[in-house]
Amino acid sequence: QSALTQPASVSGSPGQSITISCTGTSSDVGGYNYVSWYQHPPGKAPKLMIYDVNFRPSGVSNRFSGSKSGNTASLTISGLQAEDEADYYCSSSTSSSTVVFGGGTKLTVL
Amino acid sequence: QVHLVQSGAEVKKPGSSVKVSCKASGGTLNNYAFSWVRQAPGQGLEWMGGIIPISATENYPQKFQGRVTITADESTSTLYMEVRSLRSEDTAVYYCTRGPGGCSGYDWGNECFYYYMDVWGTGTTVTVSS
Repeated sequence: QSALTQPASVSGSPGQSITISCTGTSSDVGGYNYVSWYQHPPGKAPKLMIYDVNFRPSGVSNRFSGSKSGNTASLTISGLQAEDEADYYCSSSTSSSTVVFGGGTKLTVL
Repeated sequence: QVHLVQSGAEVKKPGSSVKVSCKASGGTLNNYAFSWVRQAPGQGLEWMGGIIPISATENYPQKFQGRVTITADESTSTLYMEVRSLRSEDTAVYYCTRGPGGCSGYDWGNECFYYYMDVWGTGTTVTVSS
């Protein structure tokens, strides 16, 4: 099972919106609505930000949203804030009863 | 609120084994799926395998089949992950995680899903060095 494909880095200015893509196959992202996104600040444990493609856990800002089209899922962060700077990973359940992560995207708030 | 408390840092020699524990405080193991995820220095997150205790099912990606074993002790609400034949590339921070999941049985076998990971452990650093 190959890792999902994410851009290595994205950047934006405070207040702007950014989108991170996550491309897989019909055996993972395209086959199930079990895509999740994690925020991973340096030195801390990852935090769930989006699950089941577009649901936010309690306590996560509504500036974070998710979507999916075909084999590609996306995470959008609107109204960028300095505190959003972190690594972001997508993840999907697969047809092999496993889980696959994306390679990660480093978000820089300029 | 559930917390996943992991065992302390380990330093191991190449070729040896390591067993990391993860105690779920404030909850039972039933009705959840547990995974182990690692991050090597400068690398991304990697799923090493999972267990769904209520289905008595373990799942591993091909990369770790035969080298990793995940077990659950429901009497102590503790998960374990053993990695054998350690090499330098196994140097990483290892996390246990919890989330919803389940398995469905078919004539050809089980199909299991680990939907997402909403609780993460404290992390255990494993260093493999001669």
